[in-house]
Amino acid sequence: AQKITQTQPGMFVQEKEAVTLDCTYDTSDPSYGLFWYKQPSSGEMIFLIYQGSYDQQNATEGRYSLNFQKARKSANLVISASQLGDSAMYFCAMREASGGSYIPTFGRGTSLIVHP
Amino acid sequence: DGGITQSPKYLFRKEGQNVTLSCEQNLNHDAMYWYRQDPGQGLRLIYYSQIVNDFQKGDIAEGYSVSREKKESFPLTVTSAQKNPTAFYLCASSIWSSSGNTIYFGEGSWLTVV
Repeated sequence: AQKITQTQPGMFVQEKEAVTLDCTYDTSDPSYGLFWYKQPSSGEMIFLIYQGSYDQQNATEGRYSLNFQKARKSANLVISASQLGDSAMYFCAMREASGGSYIPTFGRGTSLIVHP
Repeated sequence: DGGITQSPKYLFRKEGQNVTLSCEQNLNHDAMYWYRQDPGQGLRLIYYSQIVNDFQKGDIAEGYSVSREKKESFPLTVTSAQKNPTAFYLCASSIWSSSGNTIYFGEGSWLTVV
């Protein structure tokens, strides 16, 4: 079973509108972390936001916020006021403990296209 | 500046040859990882290392080998046993602490078999 599920292969949004990218996860580790990364066509992985499993409030970083619903094992990324430069692949990832090590696992990604 | 350096950026390999992708970090991170990325499949873990002289297989280790002789270096060898090596390879490092949890990535290496 996949540990990170991103159900939206592609999303379209108009410039200046908000968009939500879905991510659900599966883990039995009580202490885990959730990440979102942006990957433009150049291939570099750009860190966007992090949420720890014990964090009480949703993480926010500028135009990015993470809608963390622990009971539903959901960690959706919300991008407010989309810009043309937001067009990229977006990956949700989870860090959990495995045999004393921390292993980051990534979803398959969502391709976001922002149009004027 | 601190970061992860991968080289080469682009590499072409003939069938039957081994190639080695370099990954160097100056972040003083203990943990390092190699991922493979294919279209539509996200990042899949090849190998990881938590400390020097120790490494573990990830989900798709067959046909690959690594070493971790120094903290800052984690090279990946794609052997001739890897049947479909054409892909984008990403090296990463991380530090896990109460004050920060971030995965840092190199810029990646594109490997093409010709």
